[in-house]
Amino acid sequence: GEDVEQSLFLSVREGDSSVINCTYTDSSSTYLYWYKQEPGAGLQLLTYIFSNMDMKQDQRLTVLLNKKDKHLSLRIADTQTGDSAIYFCAESPLTGGFKTIFGAGTRLFVKA
Amino acid sequence: EAQVTQNPRYLITVTGKKLTVTCSQNMNHEYMSWYRQDPGLGLRQIYYSMNVEVTDKGDVPEGYKVSRKEKRNFPLILESPSPNQTSLYFCASSPLYQTGQQETQYFGPGTRLLVL
Repeated sequence: GEDVEQSLFLSVREGDSSVINCTYTDSSSTYLYWYKQEPGAGLQLLTYIFSNMDMKQDQRLTVLLNKKDKHLSLRIADTQTGDSAIYFCAESPLTGGFKTIFGAGTRLFVKA
Repeated sequence: EAQVTQNPRYLITVTGKKLTVTCSQNMNHEYMSWYRQDPGLGLRQIYYSMNVEVTDKGDVPEGYKVSRKEKRNFPLILESPSPNQTSLYFCASSPLYQTGQQETQYFGPGTRLLVL
């Protein structure tokens, strides 16, 4: 069935790059998303990528997609303390109804 | 301001007492959805709706009901809440592409529910 997996924790120093990884199972997925959740808040869309793209860059954010391995990553350049949050990977498969499948989330800690 | 609102934001109730969590969006979105968030499990989809009077089950629909009588509202109903429904609930909405897939979702602020 559909599944999205992410590591649960990542710790980086302020100013370094963060790389958050995700694997998904449904090859029919057309859209793949990264959401950010700050403490006590709902989810906020950070970026998304179409499955026919390999890479998308948006300011400090770079998304890489390896469709063969079903691997998605989010790189945050020059990580700041304000980037501390939970980051969710999600896929929107074409099969199995119009659902969105979320990973468990990666909690990013940024040390000053 | 474009937004998704949920009420109440916090709720403590007892087992078996029916409750409704409301969700409303002002963006004329076709697609609306309910999720629950539990530690270590991320977000799991409860129900979703493609349009008025069109609803379908997500991954964890047991113990929940929904209705979509109007485009802007998508209430979540717990007919007989149980302690395992203690969770953080999010409503979301999005427009639909011509392909029928939803675009990126806009999330409400969340409703924290405790069932004793």
